[in-house]
Formats: sequence, structure tokens, C-alpha cells
Amino acid sequence: SAVISQKPSRDICQRGTSLTIQCQVDSQVTMMFWYRQQPGQSLTLIATANQGSEATYESGFVIDKFPISRPNLTFSTLTVSNMSPEDSSIYLCSVEFGGRSTDTQYFGPGTRLTVL
Amino acid sequence: GEDVEQSLFLSVREGDSSVINCTYTDSSSTYLYWYKQEPGAGLQLLTYIFSNMDMKQDQRLTVLLNKKDKHLSLRIADTQTGDSAIYFCADINFNKFYFGSGTKLNVKP
Repeated sequence: SAVISQKPSRDICQRGTSLTIQCQVDSQVTMMFWYRQQPGQSLTLIATANQGSEATYESGFVIDKFPISRPNLTFSTLTVSNMSPEDSSIYLCSVEFGGRSTDTQYFGPGTRLTVL
Repeated sequence: GEDVEQSLFLSVREGDSSVINCTYTDSSSTYLYWYKQEPGAGLQLLTYIFSNMDMKQDQRLTVLLNKKDKHLSLRIADTQTGDSAIYFCADINFNKFYFGSGTKLNVKP
């Protein structure tokens, strides 16, 4: 498996500001994913971030609101732009590890965001 | 898209067995997964099962898969208070994970 860390672990932000969340993995991975978990809800995939290409966004999520960087095989950032209280969620990054045989995803500890 | 459904709550007494159920709609799922989320934490992979298996046992955990009925279950034997968490089932379809809503397991001492 991989060890995944996220920064910050939590933050309280003002409406209209932006927050960049970092995800660091201790080994090189091809595919990284960003999820949102709204209070009391399941996980919703925001986008898939592959190194060297533009992120692929899911329906309902756009690059202007959630720009993603993937500068190398161990790191990615997700920015939540122009925040509103509706963006209050846990944001989780995950990586696919183990090769094609299992396609298993491992998750970071999450970033708990509260927007006032 | 894929629908993955779970009951929302389960309450058991310490020492009893817990059974958490999940149904899914995609018959082409290759692997199915169980994740555990403790309060304030990310998701921890508990176990997974390949779709051509009908049972997998790993210490206190037993996963049963009924592919015909598209039903997956997770049995936790001798449930402990430390097992209190939210449990998510998930399957993978075309490299995309679909998660259930999560079952909150409450273990009473």
C-alpha cells in the first residue's frame, strides 16, 4: 500500500476566498483522485489527476471552481475557489496502487473544510 | 451510472456479530471493496473480493458475494467497540469507483 498525507488537515475559511489542499504520496503513482464528502454523505469523485495531462472532471465539477495540479508522480493539489458555505466538506485524495490486478484505491486522511 | 446502496445504521452489542449489507447494479464489476471510516479520519481499505469468488475470510472479517443477486455483505465476528465506524462498500466500473452511502455501525458495550 501507499502512505498518503494531506495538508491542511482542516481549515476554516471565509466566503469568497480560495484554499489549496496538498496531497503527497510516498511512492510514485500514475492515477490520483480527488473526492468530496459532504456532511453525512458518501464520497463523490471530483476529478482524476494524471501526471502530465489535464485533470478529468466529473459531471457537476469544473476546472474554474476546482483547479488541480499534478506536477509529478507523488504530488497533487486541489484548489477550492471562490468558496461558499456549500463547499464545506471533507476533501480526500486517493491513489490507485497495486497495479491493474486489483485497481485498489487508498485514501489520504482528508481535509475538513468549513466555509463561513 | 452505477448505484450502490447500503442501509444507513446498524447497532450491535459488543461480542455479537455484525452484518453490513450492500447491493449494486453493475453486473460487470470486477472487484468489490469494503472501506472503514472512523470519526474525523479518511477511508481505510478493509478488504476486497474478486467477482469470481463468493466468499473471502480475513481474520474477523468475512465477505460474502452473491453475484446473481448483486448483493455483497461484510460480517464482523466478535464485534468490538473499536469497530464503531462508518463502513462503505464500493465497486469499480471502467476505472471509476462508486461508493455506497455508508453504514454507521454503533457497538454498544
